Amino acid sequence: GAVVSQHPSRVICKSGTSVKIECRSLDFQATTMFWYRQFPKKSLMLMATSNEGSKATYEQGVEKDKFLINHASLTLSTLTVTSAHPEDSSFYICSAIPGQEQQHFGDGTRLSIL
Amino acid sequence: GENVEQHPSTLSVQEGDSAVIKCTYSDSASNYFPWYKQELGKRPQLIIDIRSNVGEKKDQRIAVTLNKTAKHFSLHITETQPEDSAVYFCAASNRGGGNKLTFGTGTQLKVEL
Repeated sequence: GAVVSQHPSRVICKSGTSVKIECRSLDFQATTMFWYRQFPKKSLMLMATSNEGSKATYEQGVEKDKFLINHASLTLSTLTVTSAHPEDSSFYICSAIPGQEQQHFGDGTRLSIL
Repeated sequence: GENVEQHPSTLSVQEGDSAVIKCTYSDSASNYFPWYKQELGKRPQLIIDIRSNVGEKKDQRIAVTLNKTAKHFSLHITETQPEDSAVYFCAASNRGGGNKLTFGTGTQLKVEL
């Protein structure tokens, strides 16, 4: 149980393109999901907390207009990287909490901007 | 906010030896401390966690200890095997603070034959 699905797993696109990443909780409802960014050989950095039915809470230094988060249902949160540039290339991972504190992670999305 | 430090950044052990990874945290309100194993290009996988109301937890070859007074916690892996090779992350969160996880910087563990 507690499966988190993330799609797509890999995206390669041109600079200036907007990219949408989906995070779904398959067998549980998640009022809160989290979005992380991970650079090669680095740790996971929390970008924002996605709250169902309300605005996301962004961490300091993360541009809200650049990384749009929508959590329209109890099983789906989306992250849209708007007007992506090469510096946005990274591994993006979502997570959700099915019960108490344990966060279950999606498989991640490797985003490459040319 | 919370700050989690992790040492060492790399660790090489011989198969069958034990491996220990240490983390310290800064926020005394943190009350949940998970450890994740991440293989290259894959998702972090929870391997063990501990809550602040206990000092030690063990699951087969893996154990975690917590010292709340000193604000540090450690991962112990015994009888290491080649498949234990991966990057390990510690993390800390405060359930009352929205369950936001702050991760350590990671330890690359290599188990050599």
